[in-house]
Amino acid sequence: QVQLQESGPGLVKPSQTLSLTCTVSGGSFSSGGYYWSWIRQHPGKGLEWIGYIYYSGNTYYNPSLKSRVTISVDTSKNQFSLKLSSVTAADTAVYYCARGTATVTGSDWFDPWGQGTLVTVSS
Amino acid sequence: QSVLTQPPSVSGAPGQRVTISCTGSSSNIGAGYDVHWYQQLPGTAPKLLIYGNSNRPSGVPDRFSGSKSGTSASLAISGLQAEDEADYYCQSYDSSLSGYVFGTGTKVTVL
Repeated sequence: QVQLQESGPGLVKPSQTLSLTCTVSGGSFSSGGYYWSWIRQHPGKGLEWIGYIYYSGNTYYNPSLKSRVTISVDTSKNQFSLKLSSVTAADTAVYYCARGTATVTGSDWFDPWGQGTLVTVSS
Repeated sequence: QSVLTQPPSVSGAPGQRVTISCTGSSSNIGAGYDVHWYQQLPGTAPKLLIYGNSNRPSGVPDRFSGSKSGTSASLAISGLQAEDEADYYCQSYDSSLSGYVFGTGTKVTVL
C-alpha cells in the first residue's frame, strides 16, 4: 500500500521560495509507469495540477506555473520535492503530492494522494 | 480557471440517485482523453473514485458509476447515503493547455 506524506514550512514570506518534500513509502518509488506529482488547492477552491517528475528525473510542468516551478527527485530517500519561487498571496493553498498513473493515451489519473499541507504566504 | 465545468451543487434524499455532469471541449474530453473522478470528504485529500471513464478502483462501492459521451462525462451515485456528502471533481487532460485539468467541483448534499 503506497503512502505519500508532504512536509515543509507552513508559512512563507512573499517573494521567497516555497519548498516542500513528499516522502513515498510502502512501494517501489523507482518502478516505471508512475509519475510523482504536485497538485494544489486554493482555500475553498478547486484543484490545480502543478507538475510531475518521473523517477528518472524527467519533468513536466503546468505551463502557467512553469517559470517558477522546479520539481526534483531523490530516489535514495524515496522523496520528491517542489520549489515554487517568487511566491505571492495567490500561492496560498493546500499542496498535495500524488502518484500519477501513466497511460499510453496520456489519460493519466492520480492515486493515492498525500494528506496535504497548508502553505500560507504572508509577511 | 477550470476548463471542465460541473454544477456547483446537487442534492438528494437517502436512497435516491443523483448525477454530476462534467462538460469539457474538443481539446480535452472531446479529444478522446479519459475522465477520472475524485471524492473529497470534508477536511481530507481527494480520493480516486472512478478512473478511465467508468472503472472503479478496488474498494469503491458499485453505487458509484461513470460514463462519457462526446465532450461530457457523468458520475452517478445510486442509493445515496449520508457518507456520500462530499465534494466531487472530474479530471482529464487538455491538449491546448498541455496539462491535466480538473473540474470546478460539485458539492453533494444528502437531504
